[in-house]
Amino acid sequence: EAQVTQNPRYLITVTGKKLTVTCSQNMNHEYMSWYRQDPGLGLRQIYYSMNVEVTDKGDVPEGYKVSRKEKRNFPLILESPSPNQTSLYFCASSLSVIYEQYFGPGTRLTVT
Amino acid sequence: SQKIEQNSEALNIQEGKTATLTCNYTNYSPAYLQWYRQDPGRGPVFLLLIRENEKEKRKERLKVTFDTTLKQSLFHITASQPADSATYLCALQVHGNNRLAFGKGNQVVVIP
Repeated sequence: EAQVTQNPRYLITVTGKKLTVTCSQNMNHEYMSWYRQDPGLGLRQIYYSMNVEVTDKGDVPEGYKVSRKEKRNFPLILESPSPNQTSLYFCASSLSVIYEQYFGPGTRLTVT
Repeated sequence: SQKIEQNSEALNIQEGKTATLTCNYTNYSPAYLQWYRQDPGRGPVFLLLIRENEKEKRKERLKVTFDTTLKQSLFHITASQPADSATYLCALQVHGNNRLAFGKGNQVVVIP
């Protein structure tokens, strides 16, 4: 089954404790991206990747890191999480930015 | 500044009627515009994509129009059903850019 998986689905952590949210897709897609969704602010792109070893900033990259060492995986790293990073995070993949995006199920992160 | 505007007020509509949603954009010149459906707590699901040289696109009971002069896309759900109740997001790719920007979404409630 074609899908995008994210782990963990739910995470409660404390300020400053480094964490990684994994994202994996099985569709051989080149384009992958991370979004955060907050009430009243909608879906905002954090980082995207056009292909392996090619990443670029989206609208709200501050406080986040990503890497794309393999085509299927695109982890999101929060080196020192802060409460303003409490949000619902979605990973997405696609053949390219102009094609339909396939979204993962989301990761609800709470930073206390 | 760049903006994508969707009506923040929920659209309540009687079952069987046509729901029409608007997506207006400012300071973008999109080559493509996409529409997604999102249910609470879940990732967006792709519905339709329309190109700048297309005026209209249809898929089953869904219809999308794209007017680059008015900088507007309309999304129609004909013969609406309670199962169509969800939030609908428009997204556009900026010409020459590899980012995807989303509107905040418009909630539709179909009343039986």
